[in-house]
Amino acid sequence: EAGVVQSPRYKIIEKKQPVAFWCNPISGHNTLYWYRQNLGQGPELLIRYENEEAVDDSQLPKDRFSAERLKGVDSTLKIQPAELGDSAVYLCASSLGPGYEQFFGPGTRLTVL
Amino acid sequence: AQSVSQHNHHVILSEAASLELGCNYSYGGTVNLFWYVQYPGQHLQLLLKYFSGDPLVKGIKGFEAEFIKSKFSFNLRKPSVQWSDTAEYFCAVNGSGNTGKLIFGQGTTLQVKP
Repeated sequence: EAGVVQSPRYKIIEKKQPVAFWCNPISGHNTLYWYRQNLGQGPELLIRYENEEAVDDSQLPKDRFSAERLKGVDSTLKIQPAELGDSAVYLCASSLGPGYEQFFGPGTRLTVL
Repeated sequence: AQSVSQHNHHVILSEAASLELGCNYSYGGTVNLFWYVQYPGQHLQLLLKYFSGDPLVKGIKGFEAEFIKSKFSFNLRKPSVQWSDTAEYFCAVNGSGNTGKLIFGQGTTLQVKP
């Protein structure tokens, strides 16, 4: 079974530039999550999707972050413009439903210079 | 607000030593509890989970954890560690009506010396 796929794996940009991350969840998983993991910390949820609906985006900084999950499968997380403090690993996870085990992708390591 | 606290940030053990990593959470309702592991260069993967029933749960690779409700704890244990257990370990809680929102601790880095 293929796992959660994320791209790119690494991204280096200058501040004020836009950046986008892509996630392909495990086939059949209706729930998709985006987490941010700062250095030395555990992941923190940014947004959760049930199919194509964002059901929990309370931790998403909406002034610069946006996300979408068209057709309830792949998802894209965007930052525009990026700030130095956005440097982190962005993780995507998926599960069959909100109470089920979450499977994580390898993450995208973002460095903002 | 829910929170998860892992007592040890960095643990160094010799092979065959016993391991116990502490995890406490703050939430008064029903919780689901998890331990995730991240081996060097790999992604997060589930080690074990507790939803209900027997509070002593067994996971992969000889790990186990005990849920003690009265202490709000879910400590991870392994009787004899191996060099290959070197990794970062995260405790996580899913409460608030089982929404799927995982609250993670800050992680514990385990280094096992051969």
